[in-house]
Amino acid sequence: ELKVEQNPLFLSMQEGKNYTIYCNYSTTSDRLYWYRQDPGKSLESLFVLLSNGAVKQEGRLMASLDTKARLSTLHITAAVHDLSATYFCAVELWWNNDMRFGAGTRLTVKP
Amino acid sequence: DTEVTQTPKHLVMGMTNKKSLKCEQHMGHRAMYWYKQKAKKPPELMFVYSYEKLSINESVPSRFSPECPNSSLLNLHLHALQPEDSALYLCASSPEGQGGNQPQHFGDGTRLSIL
Repeated sequence: ELKVEQNPLFLSMQEGKNYTIYCNYSTTSDRLYWYRQDPGKSLESLFVLLSNGAVKQEGRLMASLDTKARLSTLHITAAVHDLSATYFCAVELWWNNDMRFGAGTRLTVKP
Repeated sequence: DTEVTQTPKHLVMGMTNKKSLKCEQHMGHRAMYWYKQKAKKPPELMFVYSYEKLSINESVPSRFSPECPNSSLLNLHLHALQPEDSALYLCASSPEGQGGNQPQHFGDGTRLSIL
C-alpha cells in the first residue's frame, strides 16, 4: 500500500526566515505533486515533479524530488505572510491513477 | 475560475434523503476522481474513473454510488448517509496514465452536511 508521510505537520515561522517541508513515500513512483490549500478552499497545484533530481521553483517556493530516497522537499525562502496555508504533497501511481496525500503541513507565517 | 466545475457548492440533507453531486470538466481529461476531505485532514481518494470505467474503489460504503455518464461528467449519488459523512467532497480530473506534466485539477468542492 502506498503511504505518504509529511513533516512537520505544523510550522510557525517568522517572515524572512527559511524552512523546508519533507515528504517521504513508501513505493516506487515518479509522479509527485505539491498542492496548497487555503482555509475553506480547494487545492491549488504548485509543482509537478516527474523524474529523479527534478527541481522546480516558483517565487519563494522550490520543490525537489529524489526518487531513490523516495523523498521530496518543499523549501520556503524568506517567508511572507501570504504563504500561510496548508501544503500537501501527493504521490500518484501513474499506472492506475491511485493518488495518496500526505497529512499536510499547516504553515503560519508571522510578522 | 476552476476548470473543474462542481455543483452544488453546499448541500444539507437528512439521513433518509437521496441526492447527487455533479462534476464537469471540458479539458479532455480521461481520468476523474472523487475525494472526501474532513476538516483539517488530507483528501482521501474514494473513486477513480479511467476512460469512463471505474478503476479504483477504495472500499467506500455502498451509500455512495459513483457514475460516469461520459468523459466530461462525473456524478456521486448519495443515499442514506450518516452524520460522519459530512465533509467536503472534491472532484478532480487528469490526463490518463502517462499524462505528461499535468497535475490533477480540482474543483471547488461540495460542502456536505448530514443532519
